[in-house]
Amino acid sequence: EAQVTQNPRYLITVTGKKLTVTCSQNMNHEYMSWYRQDPGLGLRQIYYSMNVEVTDKGDVPEGYKVSRKEKRNFPLILESPSPNQTSLYFCASSFQGVRSYNSPLHFGNGTRLTVT
Amino acid sequence: GQQLNQSPQSMFIQEGEDVSMNCTSSSIFNTWLWYKQDPGEGPVLLIALYKAGELTSNGRLTAQFGITRKDSFLNISASIPSDVGIYFCAGQKNYGGATNKLIFGTGTLLAVQP
Repeated sequence: EAQVTQNPRYLITVTGKKLTVTCSQNMNHEYMSWYRQDPGLGLRQIYYSMNVEVTDKGDVPEGYKVSRKEKRNFPLILESPSPNQTSLYFCASSFQGVRSYNSPLHFGNGTRLTVT
Repeated sequence: GQQLNQSPQSMFIQEGEDVSMNCTSSSIFNTWLWYKQDPGEGPVLLIALYKAGELTSNGRLTAQFGITRKDSFLNISASIPSDVGIYFCAGQKNYGGATNKLIFGTGTLLAVQP
């Protein structure tokens, strides 16, 4: 089954303790992206990647890192989490370039992160 | 970063009623998308629109790409309880190009009372 898989689904941590949220897709998509969802603010893009070893900042990148060493994986790293990073996080993927037409984003089921 | 103006913010309706929501932007988009997010899940694509003026249906859902390219609306006819969720519009400026960056609306929360 074609899907985007995020882990964990729920995570509670303390301020300053490094964490990684994993994202994997099995559709051979070039493009992958991370969003955070907060009440009243909709979905805001954190980082995106157009292909292996190609990443770029989205609208709210501060406090986050990403890497794209393999096509299927796009982990989100919080080196020193803070309470304002408490949010619902979504990973998404799609085809890129000429194949992106009629290839909308596929989302994972989300990771709810709480930083105390 | 840019966000789309989506309204209404929330709707509480009775089963069987029709629903209408819209999205507006100050800039032009080449693609408009409508997503639905069920509780505890990620957004799922409902309808994609690729041409100005395009009107597209998917079952009880109908969406239109505004002529000015700066707006879109989504209608749901004869709502049922499983229509409950958050509906997001999203605009994309490039298609078939170098980026798939989407700008999302702030969402419309729909509650349907049986």
